[in-house]
Amino acid sequence: KAGVTQTPRYLIKTRGQQVTLSCSPISGHRSVSWYQQTPGQGLQFLFEYFSETQRNKGNFPGRFSGRQFSNSRSEMNVSTLELGDSALYLCASHPGTGWGNTIYFGEGSWLTVV
Amino acid sequence: TQLLEQSPQFLSIQEGENLTVYCNSSSVFSSLQWYRQEPGEGPVLLVTVVTGGEVKKLKRLTFQFGDARKDSSLHITAAQPGDTGLYLCAAQGGSEKLVFGKGTKLTVNP
Repeated sequence: KAGVTQTPRYLIKTRGQQVTLSCSPISGHRSVSWYQQTPGQGLQFLFEYFSETQRNKGNFPGRFSGRQFSNSRSEMNVSTLELGDSALYLCASHPGTGWGNTIYFGEGSWLTVV
Repeated sequence: TQLLEQSPQFLSIQEGENLTVYCNSSSVFSSLQWYRQEPGEGPVLLVTVVTGGEVKKLKRLTFQFGDARKDSSLHITAAQPGDTGLYLCAAQGGSEKLVFGKGTKLTVNP
C-alpha cells in the first residue's frame, strides 16, 4: 500500500512569488490535512479537506489556500511569499471518518523563501 | 486553544541510559498521541492513549496518560542510537485536526 506522496520535496522561491505543493493521500483515504512545521512554532495545522470540501481551517492568513480534487489528491498554495513562510509543509492522510483511525504523514515539502 | 507543553526541549544522552519526556496541558483531552519524527521524514504515530491512568508499552518505550487526562509521559529504557529523533505529543483538536507540542529533540550517542 503506497504511502502519502508529496511533491516537490525541495524548492526555493523568492519573496513575492507564489508556490503550489501537491499531496497524494493513501488510496481510499478521503481526508487530507496540511501542517506547517518550523523550528520556532513546531507543527501548526493549516487546513483539512474531506470530499473536496474544507472541513477545518487553522489560524493562517488568506495567502494560504488549498483544494482537494475528486480523486482525493490535494494541493496547497501560498501566494505573495514571505521569508517567514520558509518551512516544512506536511500533508497528512486519513480515512476521513472516525477520529480513532491513524493519521499518516508524508515526508513533506521543504520550502525555502529567499 | 489547547496548548501542549513538552519538556525537555532538547535531550542528549549516552546509549544505555534511561530518559523521560513530558507533555503537559491545562486542558483535559479525550486522547493523546505520541509521534516520532526522524530527519527528512514526516511524523510517525507511536501510540494513542485514551483512558486516564493508562500505561502502554512498545518494546523499550512506556507511555503513560495522567489520571486527569491533562498530561502524558514517554519513558525510554536503555536508549539506543536508533531512538534518536523528534518526539511529539499531539491531541485531537476537533475533527481530524491535531494540536502538537513543539517536541523533544532526542540524541542518543553511541
